[in-house]
Amino acid sequence: AQSVAQPEDQVNVAEGNPLTVKCTYSVSGNPYLFWYVQYPNRGLQFLLKYITGDNLVKGSYGFEAEFNKSQTSFHLKKPSALVSDSALYFCAVRDGNDYKLSFGAGTTVTVRA
Amino acid sequence: DAGVIQSPRHEVTEMGQEVTLRCKPISGHNSLFWYRQTMMRGLELLIYFNNNVPIDDSGMPEDRFSAKMPNASFSTLKIQPSEPRDSAVYFCASSYRREMNTEAFFGQGTRLTVV
Repeated sequence: AQSVAQPEDQVNVAEGNPLTVKCTYSVSGNPYLFWYVQYPNRGLQFLLKYITGDNLVKGSYGFEAEFNKSQTSFHLKKPSALVSDSALYFCAVRDGNDYKLSFGAGTTVTVRA
Repeated sequence: DAGVIQSPRHEVTEMGQEVTLRCKPISGHNSLFWYRQTMMRGLELLIYFNNNVPIDDSGMPEDRFSAKMPNASFSTLKIQPSEPRDSAVYFCASSYRREMNTEAFFGQGTRLTVV
C-alpha cells in the first residue's frame, strides 16, 4: 500500500521569504514522487518529479524539492516566494510498478505582499 | 496539444437525473484516470484505464457510477441516478504509460452540483 501525508493544511509566508511545503510518504517498493499545484477553479498542474538520481529536483516556476530516503520525505521548496505562488499544493506518490498515483490532502499556501 | 479536455465545465442537475461527464485525453497517451475532488475526501481515484481497458474500478463509489472508454480519444463517466452527495469536481487525467515515472496531466475539471 502507498500513502502520502501533508502535515500542514496551510502555510503562510511573506513575499520574498523562503517557502517550504512538507510531504512524507509510505511505499513498499521504490517511490516515484510528484508535486502538483492547483489554482482556484483550475485543474492540477505538474510541477516536478523525483524518479532516481540527484536528491534535489528542480521544477517549474523556481520550485525545487528534496528527496530524503531515510526520512521518507519529499519537501517542496522555493527560495523566494511570490504572491502568485498562492495556491493549493499536492504531493503524490507512485509505488514502484503500480499505476496508481496517490495524493496527499493538499496544503494551501498563502503568500502575503 | 490542447491538453486534456473535459466537458462540461459546470453541470447543475436535479437529484435522480442522469449525468454524463466527458473527457478527451492528450493524443498519444494510453492511460486515463478519473478522479473526484471534495473538501471532505480530497482527491479520490475512481477508475483507471490502460489502452482503453478498465484496469481498476475499485474506487467507483457505487453501481450508480459507470465509466467507458470506447476509443483512445474519448472517455465518459456516467452517474445514474445522481444524488446530492455526488456533488464534487471530477477530473480526468491522462499519461503515457511506458514507465511508471511519467506524470499525469489533468483536465480543468467538471464541477457537478446535484440539487
